[in-house]
Amino acid sequence: DTGVSQDPRHKITKRGQNVTFRCDPISEHNRLYWYRQTLGQGPEFLTYFQNEAQLEKSRLLSDRFSAERPKGSFSTLEIQRTEQGDSAMYLCASSFTAGSGNTIYFGEGSWLTVV
Amino acid sequence: DAKTTQPNSMESNEEEPVHLPCNHSTISGTDYIHWYRQLPSQGPEYVIHGLTSNVNNRMASLAIAEDRKSSTLILHRATLRDAAVYYCILIRDNQGGKLIFGQGTELSVKP
Repeated sequence: DTGVSQDPRHKITKRGQNVTFRCDPISEHNRLYWYRQTLGQGPEFLTYFQNEAQLEKSRLLSDRFSAERPKGSFSTLEIQRTEQGDSAMYLCASSFTAGSGNTIYFGEGSWLTVV
Repeated sequence: DAKTTQPNSMESNEEEPVHLPCNHSTISGTDYIHWYRQLPSQGPEYVIHGLTSNVNNRMASLAIAEDRKSSTLILHRATLRDAAVYYCILIRDNQGGKLIFGQGTELSVKP
């Protein structure tokens, strides 16, 4: 069990550029979640997938954000035309089945700095 | 979403027990109580969860009040590595299993 893997771990980009983060969940986990966390705050839910279907998107996920999970395995989160307010840690998490008793496993996060 | 209330911060001495409280007065019958913690610069880490009965695992114990309106995470012997932000979260079946984080309790451990 290799855990949830995120890449890159750190990204510095200029305002207006596009960035993409990748998440590889624990194998056979059918649910995948994306969160965003800014300094001093708890993680904020962005979106989640069950297999390849994106089942829920937060209002925080503006039109500049898009997430995909094309084959129900890895996922990407793209931010277009980045703004300084996008600077945050982006966390990916996965779990095996639906159900409120299930454990969710988080990756180490991808830090984004927009300059 | 069902709301939880936790103290902003707590202090503990190393090797002493720590009791982290959480109030969830609007909990419904099918809500699970989950605890996660987040060490500095890391992703959140699962600690423990329960529904009605008290639970124990290698990391901690979870004591759930009889009316389920509150719970307490118990670290039996705090170590410096337990210094983290601890989140108490309720999960409902119709939420897709997602976690909605509050502010949590920042635990500091003194040597």
